[in-house]
Amino acid sequence: GAGVSQSPRYKVAKRGQDVALRCDPISGHVSLFWYQQALGQGPEFLTYFQNEAQLDKSGLPSDRFFAERPEGSVSTLKIQRTQQEDSAVYLCASRPTRTSGGKSSYEQYFGPGTRLTVT
Amino acid sequence: QKEVEQNSGPLSVPEGAIASLNCTYSDRGSQSFFWYRQYSGKSPELIMFIYSNGDKEDGRFTAQLNKASQYVSLLIRDSQPSDSATYLCAGFTGTASKLTFGTGTRLQVTL
Repeated sequence: GAGVSQSPRYKVAKRGQDVALRCDPISGHVSLFWYQQALGQGPEFLTYFQNEAQLDKSGLPSDRFFAERPEGSVSTLKIQRTQQEDSAVYLCASRPTRTSGGKSSYEQYFGPGTRLTVT
Repeated sequence: QKEVEQNSGPLSVPEGAIASLNCTYSDRGSQSFFWYRQYSGKSPELIMFIYSNGDKEDGRFTAQLNKASQYVSLLIRDSQPSDSATYLCAGFTGTASKLTFGTGTRLQVTL
C-alpha cells in the first residue's frame, strides 16, 4: 500500500518567510509524528498527534513552530519567520495501532522528508 | 549525555563479513528499541525492533537487547555493499510516545 507522503520535497525560503510542510500518513494510522533531522544527526522529535489531538509538542524549538491535524489525517507543520537554523530535513512518521499477544507495536514509518533550506 | 549513544563510525567491514553495530541508552524506562537504515539523502527505513532481552533474528539481521547493561546491538551477517548506509538506533519509553534516536553509525561494506 501507499506509504507516508510529504510535500514539498524541497523548499527554499528566504529568512523571515513563513513555510508550510504537509504530511499524508499511511491510511488508518492514528498516530502521527514530526521530527527534525540536521545533517549528520539522528531525527529529533518535534510533536505527536493521536487522531486530531496534539498530545505532545515538547520538541517544538520555539513558538514559531506550529503543527495541526484538524481532521485526524493530513498534518501541516508551519514555521513562521524562518531562520537559518531552521534549515534541516523535516520528517513525518506514522504509526499503526497493532496488538499481538497482548503487546502493542510502536514502530514508526517515515515519509521521504522535506528538505528546508533557509537563505 | 545523550539518551541514546552510538559510535558515528565509519565502521568498515569487508563483503561477506559480520557487521556489529552497537547502541547504549541511559533511560532504564526504555521498553523497545528500533533499528532504522538510512541511505544518504533518503529517509529512515525500519529494519527491526526488539523489546525483550535476548536475540531476535530476521534474515541476515539479528537484534540483541541487554536491559541490565542498557545495551542494544544489530548484527548483519554476510554484509553486502548494498548494506552501506547509516544505521540509527532508537528507544521508546512508552510514557512518551516519541522515539529517541542516536546520531547513527555509518557502515561501509567494502568489496
